[in-house]
Amino acid sequence: GAGVSQSPSNKVTEKGKDVELRCDPISGHTALYWYRQRLGQGLEFLIYFQGNSAPDKSGLPSDRFSAERTGESVSTLTIQRTQQEDSAVYLCASSFEGNYGYTFGSGTRLTVV
Amino acid sequence: QKEVEQNSGPLSVPEGAIASLNCTYSDRVSQSFFWYRQYSGKSPELIMSIYSNGDKEDGRFTAQLNKASQYVSLLIRDSQPSDSATYLCAVNSRGGYSTLTFGKGTMLLVSP
Repeated sequence: GAGVSQSPSNKVTEKGKDVELRCDPISGHTALYWYRQRLGQGLEFLIYFQGNSAPDKSGLPSDRFSAERTGESVSTLTIQRTQQEDSAVYLCASSFEGNYGYTFGSGTRLTVV
Repeated sequence: QKEVEQNSGPLSVPEGAIASLNCTYSDRVSQSFFWYRQYSGKSPELIMSIYSNGDKEDGRFTAQLNKASQYVSLLIRDSQPSDSATYLCAVNSRGGYSTLTFGKGTMLLVSP
């Protein structure tokens, strides 16, 4: 597609429920990243996928968080047993091979009530 | 631990002035440097990249890099109210594929 597409744009969920967030990167971008941004805070790295290499999961905050990517296409970020502190905007980004900077999607605003 | 530091601001400048945004980073082997603009409620947008010491100009924007001082800056000439946003500095410390470490951003307010 023309840009990084994320869905849903907004998600309100009850504490303890599982949620799944989706990211469709720019066609041809081999690298895909997930970040989290809490209200008024900076960007917090979560996970990074590059081609068929093992993902860099070093930023995932707990084992309730997991992510998958199908080849060089769509990625899903799953949060199990959501907690109120999971409320944030979840941003997906993709990039070409090399240091060209990211293109971000418009994000998914998650609210846990 | 890799760190990217920015003054949170707000930095207030009048319309038409030069806005100067600064960033320092801790990882000496950092190779790639980016500036993103983030409007309130929106996602970050890449506006500048710089990879070697010196200045890089793109329209009203100039990025400056000094690796010896571990310092990168963004100058915005002829600032406009539409430039009011938070500016994020990001650093990639390894060649090839890597993650970016972001600063917390500097809020810029340009008054008419």
